Amino acid sequence: DIQMTQSPSTLSASIGDRVTFTCRASQSIGSWLAWYQQKPGKAPNLLIYRASNLQGGVSSRFSGSGSGREFTLTISSLQPDDFATYYCQQYYEYPYTFGQGTKLEIK
Amino acid sequence: EAQLVESGGGLVQPGGSLRLSCTASGFSFNNYAMSWVRQAPGKGLEWVSAISDTGGSSYFADSVQGRFTISRDNSKNTVYLQINSLRAEDTAVYFCTRRIDGSGFTPFDCWGQGTLVSVSS
Repeated sequence: DIQMTQSPSTLSASIGDRVTFTCRASQSIGSWLAWYQQKPGKAPNLLIYRASNLQGGVSSRFSGSGSGREFTLTISSLQPDDFATYYCQQYYEYPYTFGQGTKLEIK
Repeated sequence: EAQLVESGGGLVQPGGSLRLSCTASGFSFNNYAMSWVRQAPGKGLEWVSAISDTGGSSYFADSVQGRFTISRDNSKNTVYLQINSLRAEDTAVYFCTRRIDGSGFTPFDCWGQGTLVSVSS
């Protein structure tokens, strides 16, 4: 199975900050990587697919990059609504696997 | 608007069974592969099972292989997850999600609100 590892586990930041999350795959997954945002008590929401493509309706403050084994999600200027948990997921092969998540907290 | 609505969760004793349902609306259900993803309390997301658009192929996480079965009824726009031999570690919110099938690699672009399964004596 492909293991996905996210770092950091928790990130504290302030409104207006630029933040970057990292996701590493245990083997190459090409660009078949998605990022999801999840708020407490809610379902995940797709932000980025194919490593760098913004899902429709998602703010352009979100961007993704990477290929192969290493990927990043960047939020350019944090807004109050962005404080949530972020998960990466590979959809290169079954079993699809998620990273353990990065919780973004208000500093 | 695409919508997925799960049902069937509840409190079950260890060793018991449940059948979860997910009913879709607002899109062509038979064009999509469907998956179940679960989230234990305070934990991350775990993909559990998937079924292809026709129902001809199914996939399972090692943690549920042999205990869970997945099926779909395209005439009812519904996917099912039969969960047997329940264990305490199966306690989680179970989300239904979709990905378009037959177009290569695609992500989960729509999720239900989830249904809670609690396993306890």
